[in-house]
Amino acid sequence: SYVLTQSPAVSVAPGKTARIPCGGDNIGDKTVHWYQQKPGQAPVAVIYYDTDRPSGIPERFSGSNSGDTATLTISRVEAGDEADYYCQVWDSDRGHLVFGGGTKMTVL
Amino acid sequence: EVQLVQSGAEVKKPGESLKISCKGSGHNLINSWIGWVRQMPGKGLEWMGIIYLGDSDTRYSPSFLGQLTISADKSISAAYLQWSSLRASDSAMYYCAAIQGDLVDGFHIWGQGTLVTVSS
Repeated sequence: SYVLTQSPAVSVAPGKTARIPCGGDNIGDKTVHWYQQKPGQAPVAVIYYDTDRPSGIPERFSGSNSGDTATLTISRVEAGDEADYYCQVWDSDRGHLVFGGGTKMTVL
Repeated sequence: EVQLVQSGAEVKKPGESLKISCKGSGHNLINSWIGWVRQMPGKGLEWMGIIYLGDSDTRYSPSFLGQLTISADKSISAAYLQWSSLRASDSAMYYCAAIQGDLVDGFHIWGQGTLVTVSS
């Protein structure tokens, strides 16, 4: 089955830039979505289609996807960005939806 | 504004059956896929399966195939997740989420979650 690999945790100081990678075999050929989940809440999409921000998501959130790695970048990190972040693709070869294991971002 | 409203928390005993629901409101979701996602305590998101409301075309994760049943009622924009015999290991939060388009599109809307507790 197709596997998405995320680092378990990342820490970043307020005002700095966080980069959260999501690794997968030729993931650049797939469409990647990113979700933010805060404690006790349902996930919310922060990036669609590799790079698009849904309505209401700050411009500080951006995405890229090439080769074997997709990356969620959060600029000028704020305390309110502290959450778990998940990448997701549809594996059309197998007809399966796949989530990465998630990255817990801590704002120092 | 489209919303997905899930049924309330459940407490069940091992071996009991259960059916939880996810209903769309504010928009016709007939051309949408509704997926189910499990989140065990302190763990990540796991895709369980997905159903197309228009014709009930259903895909299951290999990890959950044969363990549960996903169904839908397009007349009320609802999807269901059903177990015939629960186990303690089914205790988790279950989310439904909608894809309004092709399966390569992301989940645009999420339900609030249904907490299922299975304990003797």
